[in-house]
Amino acid sequence: EAGVTQFPSHSVIEKGQTVTLRCDPISGHDNLYWYRRVMGKEIKFLLHFVKESKQDESGMPNNRFLAERTGGTYSTLKVQPAELEDSGVYFCATARGTGINTEAFFGQGTRLTVV
Amino acid sequence: EDQVTQSPEALRLQEGESSSLNCSYTVSGLRGLFWYRQDPGKGPEFLFTLYSAGEEKEKERLKATLTKKESFLHITAPKPEDSATYLCAVKRSGNQFYFGTGTSLTVIP
Repeated sequence: EAGVTQFPSHSVIEKGQTVTLRCDPISGHDNLYWYRRVMGKEIKFLLHFVKESKQDESGMPNNRFLAERTGGTYSTLKVQPAELEDSGVYFCATARGTGINTEAFFGQGTRLTVV
Repeated sequence: EDQVTQSPEALRLQEGESSSLNCSYTVSGLRGLFWYRQDPGKGPEFLFTLYSAGEEKEKERLKATLTKKESFLHITAPKPEDSATYLCAVKRSGNQFYFGTGTSLTVIP
């Protein structure tokens, strides 16, 4: 079974540019989460999709971040325009359900550097 | 305020030297405490889930325990391949994970 796949693995962009991160979930996993780790801090929740619907987007830092999951398959996270403080590692995680016994599987992350 | 605190931040052990990592938490509506292992350049890899105080789980040289306020990850006779960052996360109502900052473990041959 293929794991959670994220593209690209690294991205370096200039302040003010746009970047789109992609996450391909494990097949059959309706739940998809985006997390972010900025340097020296803990991994923090951004948002949660159930299929194509946003279940919880309370962790999204501001309106420069836009997440989509058209068709309930892969998801994209767009940052427009990017700022220096957006640098960090963005993780995607997926899960089959949300029950108490459900574990989440993480992708390898996208390291975003805004210069 | 929900909080997850891991200690120590970094730990260096000689091969075979057993030790424990700590994760203390203050979370309302706890739905599980998770331990993950993260290697450089990779995403967190699931190790254990604990749900209730007194619960213990083991996997090879690792053993996780849970109380009402904290969890311990005990490493018995570690090997260099156990070197990694160990992350603790709690899951509360709403299904999102709250992570600690991790403990970076280095096992020296």
